[in-house]
Amino acid sequence: AQTVTQSQPEMSVQEAETVTLSCTYDTSESDYYLFWYKQPPSRQMILVIRQEAYKQQNATENRFSVNFQKAAKSFSLKISDSQLGDAAMYFCAYRSAQTSYDKVIFGPGTSLSVIP
Amino acid sequence: DAGVIQSPRHEVTEMGQEVTLRCKPISGHDYLFWYRQTMMRGLELLIYFNNNVPIDDSGMPEDRFSAKMPNASFSTLKIQPSEPRDSAVYFCASSYRELAKNIQYFGAGTRLSVL
Repeated sequence: AQTVTQSQPEMSVQEAETVTLSCTYDTSESDYYLFWYKQPPSRQMILVIRQEAYKQQNATENRFSVNFQKAAKSFSLKISDSQLGDAAMYFCAYRSAQTSYDKVIFGPGTSLSVIP
Repeated sequence: DAGVIQSPRHEVTEMGQEVTLRCKPISGHDYLFWYRQTMMRGLELLIYFNNNVPIDDSGMPEDRFSAKMPNASFSTLKIQPSEPRDSAVYFCASSYRELAKNIQYFGAGTRLSVL
């Protein structure tokens, strides 16, 4: 069974600085998707960024980028120029591309604080 | 589109009462998911539907929980009878399996407190 691990329960970053959130996963599959979701205090889960495993190029979305290391099964999220609105829980997630199901496996989350 | 709509946002009830949570997915989406989030267990998938048909309900904790999707625009998660350990935030999400997209869009959640 696939698992997703986030080893940092809490992180903090100074406003305007850069922070990296770690995520590792375990799978025997070769084709899958990885996601980072953000959950602000409003509770709504918001998709931040998505990576297809077959793509070598790291995904980027404005100030958010990932470092996808397939062999190491690592998928870290880098937030540049951190803003107060980035404070939230961040969840790493995995979904197989080899089944007809859409089951997503979420990590336990990392709580990010942004210090003014 | 207004996104995934869940109601109510907050629900407080007494042990033994029936609780019904509601979800309206994004129009055109063919998958609907119900999740439960607690501090202890994180985000757990309870059940999901494809084209209104339940596909995997292995995450439903016990027979007190039931979910229905009578049509493409509405789903309910019912707990009867409710217990204090059911207190959690319940999320509904929907997605559309279009080629390789398949991104889940979450509602704002329902915070359930069972006293």
